[in-house]
Amino acid sequence: AQTVTQSQPEMSVQEAETVTLSCTYDTSENNYYLFWYKQPPSRQMILVIRQEAYKQQNATENRFSVNFQKAAKSFSLKISDSQLGDTAMYFCASADLTNKLIFGTGTLLAVQP
Amino acid sequence: KAGVTQTPRYLIKTRGQQVTLSCSPISGHRSVSWYQQTPGQGLQFLFEYFSETQRNKGNFPGRFSGRQFSNSRSEMNVSTLELGDSALYLCASSSTGGREETQYFGPGTRLLVL
Repeated sequence: AQTVTQSQPEMSVQEAETVTLSCTYDTSENNYYLFWYKQPPSRQMILVIRQEAYKQQNATENRFSVNFQKAAKSFSLKISDSQLGDTAMYFCASADLTNKLIFGTGTLLAVQP
Repeated sequence: KAGVTQTPRYLIKTRGQQVTLSCSPISGHRSVSWYQQTPGQGLQFLFEYFSETQRNKGNFPGRFSGRQFSNSRSEMNVSTLELGDSALYLCASSSTGGREETQYFGPGTRLLVL
């Protein structure tokens, strides 16, 4: 069974600085998909970025980028130029063979003014 | 395109009652998945429907059931409510449910069981 681990329950960053959220996963599959979702206080789950495992290039989406290390089974999220609106719970997730999303326990990110 | 909508947004029920939650997917999406989010257990998969058929089911008791209509709208039902069923219930839709697709989430229904 796939597992996703987020070892940082909470993190804090100053506005305009850069922060990296960690995620490790375990899977026996060769091709798979990884996601970062953001859940602000409104509780709406919003896709931040996705990575296809067979692609070598790290995904980027504006201020958000990932560092995907396939051999190490690591999938960290880097947020550059942090903004107050980035304050949220961030979930790392993988999609299993049936497209069920397996979520980590989340990292609560607070952006300080 | 309108996003995923869920109704109602909030519900208060008492133990032993039953409840029905509704989810309307993004137009054109035929796959709907349901997740339960609690502080203790995190986000857990309940089930997935595609073209009115349950295609996948998580590890939840039979009190949790669902269905999907021909217009892809989905409902989930919880019978004989227990205190532990208090949670945020999220539904997500995607085009065909392929794992290469992104699942788009609704705002959730917050259920409180007293």
